[in-house]
Amino acid sequence: NAGVTQTPKFQVLKTGQSMTLQCAQDMNHNSMYWYRQDPGMGLRLIYYSASEGTTDKGEVPNGYNVSRLNKREFSLRLESAAPSQTSVYFCASSEQGYGYTFGSGTRLTVV
Amino acid sequence: AQTVTQSQPEMSVQEAETVTLSCTYDTSENNYYLFWYKQPPSRQMILVIRQEAYKQQNATENRFSVNFQKAAKSFSLKISDSQLGDTAMYFCAFMQYNNNDMRFGAGTRLTVKP
Repeated sequence: NAGVTQTPKFQVLKTGQSMTLQCAQDMNHNSMYWYRQDPGMGLRLIYYSASEGTTDKGEVPNGYNVSRLNKREFSLRLESAAPSQTSVYFCASSEQGYGYTFGSGTRLTVV
Repeated sequence: AQTVTQSQPEMSVQEAETVTLSCTYDTSENNYYLFWYKQPPSRQMILVIRQEAYKQQNATENRFSVNFQKAAKSFSLKISDSQLGDTAMYFCAFMQYNNNDMRFGAGTRLTVKP
């Protein structure tokens, strides 16, 4: 099925470890996003990429880096995980004005 | 910066009845989009309904409809004939016309009771 694919679905990290969350879309969308979801706070934008080769900070970028590898793929990296980064992470893609198509999310726990 | 406020953290409704979820937003823009997303326990985010601000007519999708009041900056979601499968978190979201950066409210947890 067409859509946004995120991996992994679950991950447990120790404080200080690094990891990369992968995201790929097959809808030929220009824009891609990474959000985090925390209880009572809705979804907050970490980074986004308006087109291949460009990335911009969102509302909560500290502690994260991203790479827009090509039009399909947009990865999120945690260089040194902290307990405050325990969250559910969503990747999404879109075309202008039509809303987002979301991946199924990654539940990350940092202990 | 645009903000989206959902003032009802939790709501419940009896099966087959109607429920309205509230959403207000703050913006100085004239052209924008508004959305309602549903997040069931599966965690998947599902687009429920979309409204373009320049359209006065309220959007509808089967049992889901909105009451869009542009002057009041209000965008409520009405669910008619509620079903058990409507149990989910519902998020209101705002997107500027020329910017794909979407801002979300904190969500309303809706429980449909049998």
